[in-house]
Amino acid sequence: GAGVSQSPSNKVTEKGKDVELRCDPISGHTALYWYRQSLGQGLEFLIYFQGNSAPDKSGLPSDRFSAERTGGSVSTLTIQRTQQEDSAVYLCASSQGLAVTYEQYFGPGTRLTVT
Amino acid sequence: LAKTTQPISMDSYEGQEVNITCSHNNIATNDYITWYQQFPSQGPRFIIQGYKTKVTNEVASLFIPADRKSSTLSLPRVSLSDTAVYYCLVALTPGGYNKLIFGAGTRLAVHP
Repeated sequence: GAGVSQSPSNKVTEKGKDVELRCDPISGHTALYWYRQSLGQGLEFLIYFQGNSAPDKSGLPSDRFSAERTGGSVSTLTIQRTQQEDSAVYLCASSQGLAVTYEQYFGPGTRLTVT
Repeated sequence: LAKTTQPISMDSYEGQEVNITCSHNNIATNDYITWYQQFPSQGPRFIIQGYKTKVTNEVASLFIPADRKSSTLSLPRVSLSDTAVYYCLVALTPGGYNKLIFGAGTRLAVHP
């Protein structure tokens, strides 16, 4: 079956604009995660969703970042009033559940460049 | 938080065995040790996970000593395609959920 998909693959935006990044998880996966990876750096956890439970937003860097997951499937990460420091690759992952023994499957990422 | 420390980079040659050691002195009782691999312009990919002693799959082996304060990822007979960044992770399990904290990883370069 299909893996995790993300769109767009690349996004260039001007400082101050809003952007939306989309993630389609693997069908049947109840857990969905967003990470951010800056150039040459490791991954930074942003937020996760599990089923219909309230998301864990503890990793969101500021209130300009928000995410939603509709119908327990597709997720959208929104960044308002983008800043240059938001430039990074945004990665989405999904897993069968939240238990630590479930591996996370990552998408190819969206490369965001804020000019 | 259980922080991990691993070498920034390693070099090897085709056909050699590569061992990457990760230290995690503050690992908690319920934490698992997980390794991911990341190729350029791709998302990370799960390699192996373990709790204690030794775990082996078709890709790698993971050795975890009794005190669990470190772990070693072993890649047998590496090839050029194993050139990647390898992340050692200690999964946080507060409430039992799978929240991965990635460090900087180890950049492995395999040479002909």
